[in-house]
Amino acid sequence: DTEVTQTPKHLVMGMTNKKSLKCEQHMGHRAMYWYKQKAKKPPELMFVYSYEKLSINESVPSRFSPECPNSSLLNLHLHALQPEDSALYLCASVDSWSSGNTIYFGEGSWLTVV
Amino acid sequence: RKEVEQDPGPFNVPEGATVAFNCTYSNSASQSFFWYRQDCRKEPKLLMSVYSSGNEDGRFTAQLNRASQYISLLIRDSKLSDSATYLCVVRYGGSQGNLIFGKGTKLSVKP
Repeated sequence: DTEVTQTPKHLVMGMTNKKSLKCEQHMGHRAMYWYKQKAKKPPELMFVYSYEKLSINESVPSRFSPECPNSSLLNLHLHALQPEDSALYLCASVDSWSSGNTIYFGEGSWLTVV
Repeated sequence: RKEVEQDPGPFNVPEGATVAFNCTYSNSASQSFFWYRQDCRKEPKLLMSVYSSGNEDGRFTAQLNRASQYISLLIRDSKLSDSATYLCVVRYGGSQGNLIFGKGTKLSVKP
């Protein structure tokens, strides 16, 4: 069982909806990530939070808005998405920046935009 | 030039076969190296970290050549359950801490 929990597992939303994806970990990890994965493609980095501060934003459209309320939680707020945003959204966390630390992935949230 | 490149695959092998995956990375500042396994419609899961001295875990052997910027994974005595996509992953440490994924190589082990 993964120690990174993502909810919901599946989400269908219209292009005018506002929804959020949530990610939680209780391993004390101080870095958390959002990745997007399309079918038959590798995960692509969207955002990195380090010590609850946004450290990397990989030129993600503003219709995706990350939030890190505390060290255990990471949200991804969704608004006015497009059908091409349908994908698996993966949350991950890691203990520290030192090399070799394992990055743990959640099971992902399957998003369909209609 | 892509940052992490892998064999395109797919690899279709019979049970019991030995199969090798190769991967190259372009950034010499890369610090950590991993092989992840991803099953269909599941999240990536760590298979093993890769160390310069080489490391083995049961039927799996990983090698890293920093000079050539080359990573390999060898699977001996393939099992049906080994069928998955294998992702070569490189991590940059420091303030970035990003994981760069290769496109993955799909392995199908047939009876």
